[in-house]
Formats: sequence, structure tokens, C-alpha cells
Amino acid sequence: AQSVTQLDSQVPVFEEAPVELRCNYSSSVSVYLFWYVQYPNQGLQLLLKYLSGSTLVKGINGFEAEFNKSQTSFHLRKPSVHISDTAEYFCAVDRGSTLGRLYFGRGTQLTVWP
Amino acid sequence: SAVISQKPSRDICQRGTSLTIQCQVDSQVTMMFWYRQQPGQSLTLIATANQGSEATYESGFVIDKFPISRPNLTFSTLTVSNMSPEDSSIYLCSVEKGPNYGYTFGSGTRLTVV
Repeated sequence: AQSVTQLDSQVPVFEEAPVELRCNYSSSVSVYLFWYVQYPNQGLQLLLKYLSGSTLVKGINGFEAEFNKSQTSFHLRKPSVHISDTAEYFCAVDRGSTLGRLYFGRGTQLTVWP
Repeated sequence: SAVISQKPSRDICQRGTSLTIQCQVDSQVTMMFWYRQQPGQSLTLIATANQGSEATYESGFVIDKFPISRPNLTFSTLTVSNMSPEDSSIYLCSVEKGPNYGYTFGSGTRLTVV
């Protein structure tokens, strides 16, 4: 069975500090991995995705994530956050054999303080 | 990536009634997906809708409660039937155009059942 674990439900940080949002998944097959962001009262926006190739993936708004197959992790990082990064972040996995059926983690609320 | 128009954006409905949510895509897509996001929780896949065939429902979701139509390659509807307050959620549609595009989401329908 597929599952996605986001280890932190809330992450508070100060502006310009670095941040890491953690995501682990379980799967017995190759997967595609995604991070989405949801701003208040808005839909989901794709931040970045890992399909294959380089394990370091760069996305929009200065975010990046590293795929670690041995640890089954896909942690999201940003070296310096802004207040505008305050949002809910979701990690998701798509089983390669069933494209589009995404399993989501429970989400991490990132709050950036001035 | 695809652009999705989802309607209505929000609604307040009486219990026992039904609401139909529409999802229009600006290009042809094979598969469309419907998700539910209950208050304070992550997204859960309701069903997968392929054009020309019946939708495939995930465990815990049934056609009588969430009938889905997929009349063509750019449009789908989800009906939430015989609503109760427990159906109060955000409902989102998503499309799959191949993993290179990620999976685009509509802006969501915020449903409140009173």
C-alpha cells in the first residue's frame, strides 16, 4: 500500500531563516513525487516534482527537494523564507503504474514570522 | 500545463439536497480526478473519471453518494447527493496530462452544508 508521511504538522520560522519540510513515503515500486502548496482559500499549486534523473529537484519560488531512495524521503527545503511563503505544503506520491492517482500527506503548515 | 475552471467556487447548501460541481479543462485530457479535502485535513481521492466509461471509486466512496459524469474529454461533473453536514469540505478536480506536467488542480469548491 502507498502512504505518505509528513512528519511535522506545523513549522514556524522567522523570515530569512532556512526551512526544511519533511516527507517520507512507503512504496514497493518506483514512484513520482510531488510537492504542492496551498495558500489560504486557494487551490493547489505545484511546487516541484521528481520523476527520474537528478535527485535534487528545483522548483518555483526558490524551493528545492532531494529524493533519497534509500531513506524513502523527499524533503523540501528553502534557504531563506519570506512571509509570503506562509501556506500549507503537501507532499504527494503517484504510483508510476497508475498515473494521476495521488496519495497526499496530511500537510505541513509553514508560518513565517517577521 | 492545463488550465482548469471549476464551478461553483463556494456554496452553502441545505442538508438533504444535492450539489453538482463542474470542472472544465482548456485541453483534452484522458483522465480526470476528484478529491475531497475535509476541514483541516489532507486531500483524499474520491474517484477517477475516464471519458466513455464509468468512474472508478476509491474505498469509502460510492456512486450513489458521489455520481460523476464525463461526457467528453474536457469536462466532468461531481454531484454530492443527499448532503449532510459531514459533507462540508473542499472538493477539487485534477487532470493528468503525463507526469512531466505534474497534475493540475482546479481552484476548488468550498461546500458548507447546514
